[in-house]
Amino acid sequence: GENVEQHPSTLSVQEGDSAVIKCTYSDSASNYFPWYKQELGKRPQLIIDIRSNVGEKKDQRIAVTLNKTAKHFSLHITETQPEDSAVYFCAASTYGANNLFFGTGTRLTVIP
Amino acid sequence: NAGVTQTPKFQVLKTGQSMTLQCAQDMNHEYMSWYRQDPGMGLRLIHYSVGAGITDQGEVPNGYNVSRSTTEDFPLRLLSAAPSQTSVYFCASSERPIAYGYTFGSGTRLTVV
Repeated sequence: GENVEQHPSTLSVQEGDSAVIKCTYSDSASNYFPWYKQELGKRPQLIIDIRSNVGEKKDQRIAVTLNKTAKHFSLHITETQPEDSAVYFCAASTYGANNLFFGTGTRLTVIP
Repeated sequence: NAGVTQTPKFQVLKTGQSMTLQCAQDMNHEYMSWYRQDPGMGLRLIHYSVGAGITDQGEVPNGYNVSRSTTEDFPLRLLSAAPSQTSVYFCASSERPIAYGYTFGSGTRLTVV
């Protein structure tokens, strides 16, 4: 099956700075890459996703980039705020499949 | 519209006991699944269903059973609990019959002693 690696495992940034979380995947057939945010004690929530027919997608302060050749994708958060503090999970799948393969998570702390 | 509802939120079991984790959704979603979340391992798929009467195994199905008699409900049964099943369990659903755009439940924290 797919193997997704995520780095770093923890990340601390000053409020207002940018944060970047990177994931690599192993299965070249994967073409769907969602990102989930999980606040402490809460359920994971989808924040953005990308299909492999595009290289970048933005939603306000959040963007995801995809490099299919290198098999890696990244989450970029600009102008970070304390409420961005959470654990972020990347995932990969083949669109239409029945499983998402998740990374191990990145704990982001935004320091006021 | 409650979304995905999981019960209980917390549970402590003794080794060898059985129990059922409940999951219900009111969004008429075709796809439902169970994941477990362990420290340093992300979320891993246990079982999934693409519609009433249809279930299949995920990555880590051993020790768990599921059934899907209605579109709304997808219970997860632990047959004989083991300490290795200590985890946080999440139910997720999708309006499409695939693993896409999940809506997660709030989770069940299970401890097996």
